[in-house]
Amino acid sequence: DQQVKQNSPSLSVQEGRISILNCDYTNSMFDYFLWYKKYPAEGPTFLISISSIKDKNEDGRFTVFLNKSAKHLSLHIVPSQPGDSAVYFCAASAKVGSEKLVFGKGTKLTVNP
Amino acid sequence: GAVVSQHPSRVICKSGTSVKIECRSLDFQATTMFWYRQFPKQSLMLMATSNEGSKATYEQGVEKDKFLINHASLTLSTLTVTSAHPEDSSFYICSARDPRRFNEKLFFGSGTQLSVL
Repeated sequence: DQQVKQNSPSLSVQEGRISILNCDYTNSMFDYFLWYKKYPAEGPTFLISISSIKDKNEDGRFTVFLNKSAKHLSLHIVPSQPGDSAVYFCAASAKVGSEKLVFGKGTKLTVNP
Repeated sequence: GAVVSQHPSRVICKSGTSVKIECRSLDFQATTMFWYRQFPKQSLMLMATSNEGSKATYEQGVEKDKFLINHASLTLSTLTVTSAHPEDSSFYICSARDPRRFNEKLFFGSGTQLSVL
């Protein structure tokens, strides 16, 4: 039973355009969500997070939107750059600061020059 | 730069052998480290929580006698896959949180790709 789902295994966008990565979750106890980025041969690195008391969090080119009623979050990257090409993991936890993260399978983003 | 170092990055071994994977926090002391596993096309799944000076806590379905965890110091946790079999072939990755950074996110090692022949 997958509690965090990233239904798109891959996404390809043109440089300068918007990348939208989606994530759905099923566990209503989740109240903290994170996005991690992973390059080949490296570990995941933290990108951005959002707690359930918010519906939007922005950090530079990256914005995460949370729709609690739909149990859905998305990561927007604007404008997309070739260096953004990586695998993006959505993760969730039942509380802020919890080490027990539940991950999605990841979405491989390719930004074409 | 990396704050969590993991070695080796890749291991190929014969069935029945044991493999040790090291995870080090480089510039902070981690009383707790975490071991994840990722099978191809699957999610990262938490296997166990490594506690310095005490026993590890294993997630449901993870055999503690097969995946031995030792957290003997505040900067080092090891995962030993004992009597490895082909079904243990997977990507293993550790993580830790810097306790100086409250609510900070987990830092991950670069992972170990284990292939059991």
